[in-house]
Amino acid sequence: DAGVIQSPRHEVTEMGQEVTLRCKPISGHNSLFWYRQTMMRGLELLIYFNNNVPIDDSGMPEDRFSAKMPNASFSTLKIQPSEPRDSAVYFCASGGRLYGYTFGSGTRLTVV
Amino acid sequence: AQSVTQPDIHITVSEGASLELRCNYSYGATPYLFWYVQSPGQGLQLLLKYFSGDTLVQGIKGFEAEFKRSQSSFNLRKPSVHWSDAAEYFCAVGAAPHTGGGNKLTFGTGTQLKVEL
Repeated sequence: DAGVIQSPRHEVTEMGQEVTLRCKPISGHNSLFWYRQTMMRGLELLIYFNNNVPIDDSGMPEDRFSAKMPNASFSTLKIQPSEPRDSAVYFCASGGRLYGYTFGSGTRLTVV
Repeated sequence: AQSVTQPDIHITVSEGASLELRCNYSYGATPYLFWYVQSPGQGLQLLLKYFSGDTLVQGIKGFEAEFKRSQSSFNLRKPSVHWSDAAEYFCAVGAAPHTGGGNKLTFGTGTQLKVEL
């Protein structure tokens, strides 16, 4: 079991550019979560999916953020256009109440 | 609405000393409670979880936590801290399995543990 796999580990981009973060959940887990972590706001749930369907996206900060889960083994979080205040560590997690929740190693995003 | 409070932002203990990290939660139904640990530059690793049964749960790395419904608390403990335990610890609450709540987890703001040698 390779765990939850996120890519890239680090991303540095210029303001205004599009950023795409990727996540491969653990096989068999039917829920996937995107979290953002900053010093100021801690861990924030952005969106989560059950069986590839978005269930709660109330944490998505703005329309610049979008997430997709085209199949059970892949999800993306896109920011377009990116802004310096989007700089954070973005975590993907999979699992659920029955399995527990497993986190990936995160993507550290820096927008300059 | 569900919420988690970790009242201690920073805690410093000496290696070999006992540790207790506090967690209070607010949840309208049967809660599912977790403790996670995060080392610098890493993701969150699950230490232990509680849903039902014995209110004292054992986790990895020698940690344990006790669920006290009357106090809405789920404090994390370790009898003897090792230098490698220095990290940030997060308490989280969600809906218990097989209940009507969704899969959402709400995290506390974390407690940073420093271990003095």
